[in-house]
Amino acid sequence: SQTIHQWPATLVQPVGSPLSLECTVEGTSNPNLYWYRQAAGRGLQLLFYSVGIGQISSEVPQNLSASRPQDRQFILSSKKLLLSDSGFYLCAWSTGDTEAFFGQGTRLTVV
Amino acid sequence: QQQVKQSPQSLIVQKGGIPIINCAYENTAFDYFPWYQQFPGKGPALLIAIRPDVSEKKEGRFTISFNKSAKQFSLHIMDSQPGDSATYFCAATTGGGNKLTFGTGTQLKVEL
Repeated sequence: SQTIHQWPATLVQPVGSPLSLECTVEGTSNPNLYWYRQAAGRGLQLLFYSVGIGQISSEVPQNLSASRPQDRQFILSSKKLLLSDSGFYLCAWSTGDTEAFFGQGTRLTVV
Repeated sequence: QQQVKQSPQSLIVQKGGIPIINCAYENTAFDYFPWYQQFPGKGPALLIAIRPDVSEKKEGRFTISFNKSAKQFSLHIMDSQPGDSATYFCAATTGGGNKLTFGTGTQLKVEL
């Protein structure tokens, strides 16, 4: 069966520090991968999605970037965090004509 | 045209009641409509999904009703329980692994 791993679960980082969140998927090949952000009490905002290694599409201009160095690995990064980057970050995957399956999320607090 | 509008934003029902959450869309290319349930501090989990070739789908206490002509769909939770208290998101996609478009979410609270 397919599983998705996302870490860390919580993170507190100072303003101006770098960020690296990692997501890996097991049990499937060539998945579509997504990074979403969810502000407190708000909906899901799609940040990036990838249909293959090295292929990244950005949905909104921001202080973040994404990379896909391996088929089942998706990384969300920032060189210098802003206060506004705080939120709940979710990785998700899908294949073909299916819905998306989410990881457990990372709660990022920028202080 | 890519939006999915969801209402209400929040909902409180008594145990045993039937909360109803509504969603509407504009893009007629959408052909798959999943619902997600999210508990605090957790990722959304797929609850139930429907395609527009059927008008209703039931899974346990959860039912999706779909009105293709009105471009609306709704989630009904029968015999609601306190454990159903969560945030519910509707979504839509054109399929083929395309990205989902989410509604803004409904916070449901089921009181004893």
